[in-house]
Amino acid sequence: DADVTQTPRNRITKTGKRIMLECSQTKGHDRMYWYRQDPGLGLRLIYYSFDVKDINKGEISDGYSVSRQAQAKFSLSLESAIPNQTALYFCATSGSTGTAYNEQFFGPGTRLTVL
Amino acid sequence: GQNIDQPTEMTATEGAIVQINCTYQTSGFNGLFWYQQHAGEAPTFLSYNVLDGLEEKGRFSSFLSRSKGYSYLLLKELQMKDSASYLCAVRDVDQTGANNLFFGTGTRLTVIP
Repeated sequence: DADVTQTPRNRITKTGKRIMLECSQTKGHDRMYWYRQDPGLGLRLIYYSFDVKDINKGEISDGYSVSRQAQAKFSLSLESAIPNQTALYFCATSGSTGTAYNEQFFGPGTRLTVL
Repeated sequence: GQNIDQPTEMTATEGAIVQINCTYQTSGFNGLFWYQQHAGEAPTFLSYNVLDGLEEKGRFSSFLSRSKGYSYLLLKELQMKDSASYLCAVRDVDQTGANNLFFGTGTRLTVIP
């Protein structure tokens, strides 16, 4: 079973629609992240959460919001989708700093197309 | 700000050795990661360097020079399945003071027979 899951895996929607992307993890990690990936731009951080009561904006948070419903669940919302939000979205998790690597583990991604 | 550079594309022959370079300019530094990403899939962790020198893990090695802001990923005995994008990421302090990863745009490696 996958440790980090994302739903949906693919979504096509229209401009102006509200969209929610969901992420769940069974790794027991405190930290969760949302990234978007665009060709030629690499992975960019949208929002991150270091525990259930902690939400922080990343590099490109405008047009997005998040909710950390539980330690294992972190959702990303697009309140009014626009075409330049078409991208591949990844959720990631990591343990608390203090371990040797604290590497991030990524979900399978959600491909979002906004028409 | 953070600036992380790596070549966009590389091609190498099956069985050969390839070196993928990464240079970075960041306000701070708390480690450098390499990830592998096959097309349409999730990035997966390959290696981590925080001190200068070479870290070896099977066919993959990663080198770091903090004074030069430079790292490379070395792949030996290339296999067709190594065709993927390789992402360099630096852990640095963001605008909130938290340690987060900043990614380069990735190097797409194509292995040919």
